[in-house]
Amino acid sequence: DAMVIQNPRYQVTQFGKPVTLSCSQTLNHNVMYWYQQKSSQAPKLLFHYYDKDFNNEADTPDNFQSRRPNTSFCFLDIRSPGLGDAAMYLCATSIIRGSGEAFFGQGTRLTVV
Amino acid sequence: AQSVTQLGSHVSVSEGALVLLRCNYSSSVPPYLFWYVQYPNQGLQLLLKYTSAATLVKGINGFEAEFKKSETSFHLTKPSAHMSDAAEYFCAVSDIQGAQKLVFGQGTRLTINP
Repeated sequence: DAMVIQNPRYQVTQFGKPVTLSCSQTLNHNVMYWYQQKSSQAPKLLFHYYDKDFNNEADTPDNFQSRRPNTSFCFLDIRSPGLGDAAMYLCATSIIRGSGEAFFGQGTRLTVV
Repeated sequence: AQSVTQLGSHVSVSEGALVLLRCNYSSSVPPYLFWYVQYPNQGLQLLLKYTSAATLVKGINGFEAEFKKSETSFHLTKPSAHMSDAAEYFCAVSDIQGAQKLVFGQGTRLTINP
């Protein structure tokens, strides 16, 4: 089945140690998104790619970076994780000029120790 | 800017009772509207979507929602709650142009009492 896959599902990292979360998709969608969801809160958009064009949200900290080497893969890099970065990170995809529906992966739960 | 307000962060109903989760939106142009469900430690799953076709939208698991432009509402209903409906529900709005970024409401946690 076509889908969005996030790896790993659970990630534990040390305070200040760089960490990378990965997302792959078999839907061939041209837009990929990264959302951060803290406990009992709504998902918050960090950035998105429209094909290779990177779009950062205005309030996304510089500590968060992203790479999209090809259509299928997208990575979230956290350069120096702090305790406040512990959250669920959700990757999603969609088609421009489609119905606006986003397809989500299962998420990666990040713990910072 | 678009926004979504979900009335009630927690809703509790008895098994077999009507489920009503409220969502109001703010948008300067006709939007796309969505309801997503999230189970613990899972991603978001689409329940249903409104994209300017029929105003009454039917989704998965027996849920439906009605788009009411005059009330700027998109409330989610299910006639008879099941224990498996216990989850977090998010209403979301997106532009019909551009990157179609989703803006989520704060979520409603639905609890089903036996």
